[in-house]
Amino acid sequence: GNSVTQMEGPVTLSEEAFLTINCTYTATGYPSLFWYVQYPGEGLQLLLKATKADDKGSNKGFEATYRKETTSFHLEKGSVQVSDSAVYFCALTTPPRGGSNYKLTFGKGTLLTVNP
Amino acid sequence: NAGVTQTPKFQVLKTGQSMTLQCAQDMNHEYMSWYRQDPGMGLRLIHYSVGAGITDQGEVPNGYNVSRSTTEDFPLRLLSAAPSQTSVYFCASRWGQGAGGYTFGSGTRLTVV
Repeated sequence: GNSVTQMEGPVTLSEEAFLTINCTYTATGYPSLFWYVQYPGEGLQLLLKATKADDKGSNKGFEATYRKETTSFHLEKGSVQVSDSAVYFCALTTPPRGGSNYKLTFGKGTLLTVNP
Repeated sequence: NAGVTQTPKFQVLKTGQSMTLQCAQDMNHEYMSWYRQDPGMGLRLIHYSVGAGITDQGEVPNGYNVSRSTTEDFPLRLLSAAPSQTSVYFCASRWGQGAGGYTFGSGTRLTVV
């Protein structure tokens, strides 16, 4: 089956620090990979995605590269801001065997707190 | 604004009570799903639907029922609430074919006492 493992938090950084949140996966088939962000009291928002090996997803200064050889999709940002404080989820889908039920499999989430 | 709308935002139930969590989307998405979020567990799939009239079980379906009579609506029913169902519930719908992205609602925080 599919599974996602991401680094456990919480992660606490000072503003302008470099961020890495590790994510590795196990999947049957060829997965698409996602990072979602959940700000306090809100639902999940798609942050970035990559659908094939060596693709780099990017958004709002965040980046992640689909590494098939290491089955990884680590999230990085060069200079975090207080407003980046949130929970970050790594997730994947794989092509279904028939039908169109692309189900998301999530990691457990990593809480990031950025201090001024 | 277009998106996924969940109601209510907060609910407290007594053990054994029933209720329905509402989810509606106005983006004509075929795929809709319900997740629950628990501390340290990430999000787990409860039920999903690939179109009107078609539903299927996810990872943790016990204690929950769903139906999909229209493309827009996908309600989640708790027939007899239990404390183990205390959680935050998210509805999501998907755009695009293949590995498209998902749009999530803002969640319903349910407490069963």
